[in-house]
Amino acid sequence: QSVLTQPPSASGTPGQRVTVSCSGSISNIGSNIVNWYQQLPGTAPKLLINSSSQRPSGVPDRFSGSKSGTSASLAISGLQSEDEADYYCASWDDSLSGYVFGTGTKVTVL
Amino acid sequence: EVYLVESGGGSAQPGRSLRLSCVVSGFAFEDYAMHWVRQAPGKGLEWVSGIDWSGSSIGYADSVKGRFSVSRDNAKNSLYLQMNSLRPEDTAFYYCVKGFSSMWKEAGFDPWGQGSLVTVSA
Repeated sequence: QSVLTQPPSASGTPGQRVTVSCSGSISNIGSNIVNWYQQLPGTAPKLLINSSSQRPSGVPDRFSGSKSGTSASLAISGLQSEDEADYYCASWDDSLSGYVFGTGTKVTVL
Repeated sequence: EVYLVESGGGSAQPGRSLRLSCVVSGFAFEDYAMHWVRQAPGKGLEWVSGIDWSGSSIGYADSVKGRFSVSRDNAKNSLYLQMNSLRPEDTAFYYCVKGFSSMWKEAGFDPWGQGSLVTVSA
């Protein structure tokens, strides 16, 4: 059972801005960094954002991350068809002494 | 280029055992923590286990603690997951994942293997 809550779906037309939220608690997001992962259909997840807001090499700058308190957000600006995927947030949880993932958000490009 | 290739998946009856292996290349395996993350078909991601660079520090999710055991052989660039007392809810794709640093408690998984499917059914 995931302890990080995400909306099940989000959508937008090409070029629009879409945001995905991730809600946690003081024991996870409130005390630790957040990473975001993108999972394209039929493939393994890929790191999209690390340390809450840093983009690894090769990740387009239309992806951005932020964190405030016990919540985090992923924003996709200039939405493209290839961004259609599942997105997961993740963080260390001090109470569980383990990693926790969000429930996942399916982003659809209309 | 970094490669992580899992093997050993398949079908097992409840209560039986399976052992997953992951062979890596393209980076200094002995310098990094490694993890196993699983995903039930059509479901979300669940962290299973992490192991530090030396194998001396290990962590497990509560759902597998006492049943699964992670290990590594740095000489063989290999990571293992011994899964005992399997349950139907262990059915999932199991991904071998490289950690960000030598310590498994330092957050982050990148990159991921292609996954190995484990099916537990009578």
